[in-house]
Amino acid sequence: ILNVEQSPQSLHVQEGDSTNFTCSFPSSNFYALHWYRWETAKSPEALFVMTLNGDEKKKGRISATLNTKEGYSYLYIKGSQPEDSATYLCAPASGGYQKVTFGTGTKLQVIP
Amino acid sequence: EAGVTQFPSHSVIEKGQTVTLRCDPISGHDNLYWYRRVMGKEIKFLLHFVKESKQDESGMPNNRFLAERTGGTYSTLKVQPAELEDSGVYFCASSHLGSSPLHFGNGTRLTVT
Repeated sequence: ILNVEQSPQSLHVQEGDSTNFTCSFPSSNFYALHWYRWETAKSPEALFVMTLNGDEKKKGRISATLNTKEGYSYLYIKGSQPEDSATYLCAPASGGYQKVTFGTGTKLQVIP
Repeated sequence: EAGVTQFPSHSVIEKGQTVTLRCDPISGHDNLYWYRRVMGKEIKFLLHFVKESKQDESGMPNNRFLAERTGGTYSTLKVQPAELEDSGVYFCASSHLGSSPLHFGNGTRLTVT
């Protein structure tokens, strides 16, 4: 993996469904992995920052896991609600000065 | 604490003119990033300051873009002369440590006509 890749690009789920997205990133020079939630017409808001292989973080119905050796992270949303509709961005920090670069995002639409 | 503030929120200029965007990070945050989003696409990295030093400016598109962070406090991003393709939303973000989450400003929407 040379770049940050997120999949799927977009998805629609019914209210109450659980869902998950994938972020793949270069595993070399890894420092940290950020997840952000970005609502239309607003600025990205941080969800998690993870640094250790095997890390798991949870915030309400949202959780994330990290595998630094193979360079991927999963974001899970349990029991999706319409207010979860947003674009979810992952952003690895790498290099000596922890440059943070963003993936293209996964756009989630939760249908009531 | 006050958040990251950006000024102006919106700027409309003609091709060939100069525009300067300003970002005030959260006090005490050494890391300051500039990003831009063009045509509704992904957020692209422009550059990264640690205090007053440019650590990485590999994302700056060309020499029409100049960023400064004098004294390690606020930062400016100047575009001179502006071209049509420079239109987009320019975001500034700051953080305390490399492992800390980024705090974003509301962005400056630049329109070059």
